[in-house]
Amino acid sequence: DTAVSQTPKYLVTQMGNDKSIKCEQNLGHDTMYWYKQDSKKFLKIMFSYNNKELIINETVPNRFSPKSPDKAHLNLHINSLELGDSAVYFCASSLSGGWQETQYFGPGTRLLVL
Amino acid sequence: GQNIDQPTEMTATEGAIVQINCTYQTSGFNGLFWYQQHAGEAPTFLSYNVLDGLEEKGRFSSFLSRSKGYSYLLLKELQMKDSASYLCAVRDGRDDKIIFGKGTRLHILP
Repeated sequence: DTAVSQTPKYLVTQMGNDKSIKCEQNLGHDTMYWYKQDSKKFLKIMFSYNNKELIINETVPNRFSPKSPDKAHLNLHINSLELGDSAVYFCASSLSGGWQETQYFGPGTRLLVL
Repeated sequence: GQNIDQPTEMTATEGAIVQINCTYQTSGFNGLFWYQQHAGEAPTFLSYNVLDGLEEKGRFSSFLSRSKGYSYLLLKELQMKDSASYLCAVRDGRDDKIIFGKGTRLHILP
């Protein structure tokens, strides 16, 4: 009965590789997010999708490309991985993205680029 | 600009009360959240304030003053399991994004 799930939980890869992280929510929410938490634990939004449409696109490199096949899924593809991409990536969802809504977070994907 | 400030670390004793402050400067304001994050885990929702005043929820209470750009999270009857980071986050009124502070790492001593 997991609400927001992400795979994989851990990802160790070489610089220059391409990798994807998947996120799924079974809460029936319309809005999903990707956050990056760096080594200093600073949590920063990367993308937001509402009903498969891109709403927020923060200043992230073009190497990061989100894809939402349906409103329950928001995947993150990263091309040409760099050392600085090492971080924990959290997926989250909220009911409709409204200002009063709580965001529910997935367990995180710990990415280490060597 | 957008800025959210919280103390980096705090220490308190089991059974005591601790207040974690958060000040913010954002282009607009559509609510303030507090999240708890245990080491190695995802943030979990604690509270949401959009109007001035105190919201109480069990051992945790959250206060907001919009005119002062200030909030605090009050934790009573501290337990060892309360050792965690506490993240203050503000929803910006201009673009509806949630902006997180850097978190306050709370250490509980027996």
